[in-house]
Amino acid sequence: NAGVMQNPRHLVRRRGQEARLRCSPMKGHSHVYWYRQLPEEGLKFMVYLQKENIIDESGMPKERFSAEFPKEGPSILRIQQVVRGDSAAYFCASSPGGLATGYEQYFGPGTRLTVT
Amino acid sequence: AQSVTQLGSHVSVSEGALVLLRCNYSSSVPPYLFWYVQYPNQGLQLLLKYTTGATLVKGINGFEAEFKKSETSFHLTKPSAHMSDAAEYFCAVVQIDKIIFGKGTRLHILP
Repeated sequence: NAGVMQNPRHLVRRRGQEARLRCSPMKGHSHVYWYRQLPEEGLKFMVYLQKENIIDESGMPKERFSAEFPKEGPSILRIQQVVRGDSAAYFCASSPGGLATGYEQYFGPGTRLTVT
Repeated sequence: AQSVTQLGSHVSVSEGALVLLRCNYSSSVPPYLFWYVQYPNQGLQLLLKYTTGATLVKGINGFEAEFKKSETSFHLTKPSAHMSDAAEYFCAVVQIDKIIFGKGTRLHILP
C-alpha cells in the first residue's frame, strides 16, 4: 500500500504566477488535510477535505488560496498570484476517518515551494 | 481551543544519554495526543499516540511518552540516544477535526 504521495516535490514560481500542489491520499483514505510549514515553525493547519467537500478551511488565507478534492483524482492546493511569503513546505496528510474518533493521519513528503 | 507548547526549540544530548523532550497541552476535553518526528527534507512520521487507556505509550525507535492529566503534559523520552535520533520532533493535539502542532524541538546528538 503506497503512502501519501505529493507532487511536485519542489516547485519554483515567480511572483504573480500560479502554484498547483497535488496530493494523492493512501488507498482507502477519504479524508485529506493540508498544512503549511514555515522555517523554524511547526505545521499550521490550512484545510480539511473529504471527497468533493471542504469540511474545515479555517486555516486558509482568505485570498489567493483554494483547495479541492474531486471525486476522481488527487487533491489540489492552488495558490494564485504567488508572493515571496508563500515560500514554504506544504504537507498533505490523509486518514481513513475523522480525527475526533481516534484515527491518525499519514503524511506525505511535502512540496517545497520557492517563490522568486 | 487546544494548544501545544514545546519547551526548548533545541535540545542537545550525548549519544547514549537520556532523551527528554517536553510537551504541555491545553485542552478542555480529554485529548488525543501525538508525537511526530521529521527528518531533514522529509514528511512527518508518527512516533506514538495517546487516545485512551494506558497512560504510558510506547512508540517506534525506542521512544515512549507518558500522559499526565494532572500536569497536562505528554513528555517524550528515550533511555539511550542514538545518532540516528537527530531530527525535529513535534508534539500535537487533536482539535475536533484537525491537528494542532507545537513549534517543534530540534534534537542534536553529540558524539
